Formats: sequence, structure tokens, C-alpha cells
Amino acid sequence: EPEVTQTPSHQVTQMGQEVILRCVPISNHLYFYWYRQILGQKVEFLVSFYNNEISEKSEIFDDQFSVERPDGSNFTLKIRSTKLEDSAMYFCASSLIYNSPLHFGNGTRLTVT
Amino acid sequence: KNEVEQSPQNLTAQEGEFITINCSYSVGISALHWLQQHPGGGIVSLFMLSSGKKKHGRLIATINIQEKHSSLHITASHPRDSAVYICAVSWNTGNQFYFGTGTSLTVIP
Repeated sequence: EPEVTQTPSHQVTQMGQEVILRCVPISNHLYFYWYRQILGQKVEFLVSFYNNEISEKSEIFDDQFSVERPDGSNFTLKIRSTKLEDSAMYFCASSLIYNSPLHFGNGTRLTVT
Repeated sequence: KNEVEQSPQNLTAQEGEFITINCSYSVGISALHWLQQHPGGGIVSLFMLSSGKKKHGRLIATINIQEKHSSLHITASHPRDSAVYICAVSWNTGNQFYFGTGTSLTVIP
């Protein structure tokens, strides 16, 4: 069964550094999402992406964050200048169409020191 | 304010028991998702509902749109069902998903 893949599984970075989290959604899916989960807290929506542009974003998704679909397969989340509070598990997900079941990747655990 | 509330927060059951997890939300939704998060962190989609009832194996999900409430039932529970179960909704106003805090289920042999 096709799956969403995320790399790396764990990323450690120093405060102030830029990080890029990578995702390969399921190939025929049209909607892509990033979520994050701070340890011990609930999953939070960051951004949704459709037709090569952001369709919605949350208050968390400020100017430090950006998303890109640089080619036909990858979907990336960039954090420009990481803060300690950015430490979390970041999940990528995709869905075939609007309001269809979500398929999640296994997540990237980001640790900012 | 858009809210998603789940209950109970924690649940321990004996193997074979019938389990119910509840989810309530505050405003109109376009869809409700039940998700399972394994101890390793991975998230799996179990159901997506906009009305009625769905069944998959030992799992049943129901939704009552008028009461803004959904339930996830597990029949004949098994230790491998131990996980965190999360309710997530997408509101009528857009494509954002809001997540409940999850219900941590432990099934004891």
C-alpha cells in the first residue's frame, strides 16, 4: 500500500539554525499538510497546501515557517531560525481530495538545543 | 471558539471488554476523523465520518451531527489495541483540522 514517507526520522539542530523537513506524499494525492506535536501535547495543524500554494495556515505558521513543493514528489517544511520551542514531532500528511481520509507519515522528531 | 473534547483521557480495560471513546465538538463540521497513534508516535487514520456509522473489523465509529458528538467503539478489545485514539475535525469554514487531546487506551491481557 502506498505510504507517506518523511526524512529524517530525527533531526537535532542548534537554536537559530535553519532546518528543512522532507516529505514524499502519496503520488496521486492532491492535498498536503504539516502538523506538529509537542511532547505530551495534542497534535496541532500548521498548514495545508493545494495546487502549489498554501490553502490554509494556523497562527503557529508564522514568518519563520515556509513550505514548498520543489518537484513533483517532495513536500518540504522549512523553519528559518529555530527556537527551543520548535522542538516537536512534525507530521506530514496527504489526502486524495478535499475532506478525504488523511495518510500520515511516521514523523520527524526535531530537537532544538 | 472551536473546541474538540475527548473523554475519557485515560482508559484501562481487560482483554475482551467493549470500549467506548467519546468526542464532542462545538460548531458545525464538514468531517470528523478518528486516528490511532501508536507508542512509537506514528498516526494511522481509522475512520472519516460526516454522518451515520462506519465499521471496520472490531472498530465502529458513529456520529450524531445534531448533538455534535461522535463515539469510537472497540469490540472484544485486545492488548494490541493499546494506543492513543485521537478525534480530529475539519470545520465547515475551511480545511484546517483541529485535534482532541486523545484518549490513552491500555488493554490488559
